[in-house]
Amino acid sequence: KQEVTQIPAALSVPEGENLVLNCSFTDSAIYNLQWFRQDPGKGLTSLLLIQSSQREQTSGRLNASLDKSSGRSTLYIAASQPGDSATYLCAVRVNDMRFGAGTRLTVKP
Amino acid sequence: GAVVSQHPSRVICKSGTSVKIECRSLDFQATTMFWYRQFPKQSLMLMATSNEGSKATYEQGVEKDKFLINHASLTLSTLTVTSAHPEDSSFYICSASGTGDLEAFFGQGTRLTVV
Repeated sequence: KQEVTQIPAALSVPEGENLVLNCSFTDSAIYNLQWFRQDPGKGLTSLLLIQSSQREQTSGRLNASLDKSSGRSTLYIAASQPGDSATYLCAVRVNDMRFGAGTRLTVKP
Repeated sequence: GAVVSQHPSRVICKSGTSVKIECRSLDFQATTMFWYRQFPKQSLMLMATSNEGSKATYEQGVEKDKFLINHASLTLSTLTVTSAHPEDSSFYICSASGTGDLEAFFGQGTRLTVV
């Protein structure tokens, strides 16, 4: 069974910092990997989708990379803002779709 | 992106009753749907995977007779929580994907409270 791990579990940074969130998975035979954002008590907002054949995807201040052979993905957030405070989840798709436990990010003004 | 509508967003029910949650793909055909449960301050735990026209595949520890999943059409899946108990109170989220790039689109979630 696919295991997805996210580190760190929580991260607190001052506004303006660049930061990296990590995701690792045990089975490299994935179809794709998605990064999501979840605000407290809310649903999921999809941030980036990386197909298994891709190495990275970018959207605004967000950049996600994928190294399928090593079972790793990173989400890079540039110039963090207080509005980026949320829980960030990665999920990998094989026949099913499994999530990591998430990284709870706090960006202080 | 594609739209997945989940209804209701909130429901309160009495212990022992059943609750049905609907998940609809509005602008694409969902060949696969996933149902998740999320307890407070925890991540999404996969409950079951369903492919249209087939029986759902349940994760270990999820009672298939308690959590009935129907995926009879390419645009609708339902999750029925039967004989609900307070410990079933949780946030339930559905996800749907079609063919092609297999991107998954999520519903807004249903917060179930059993009293």
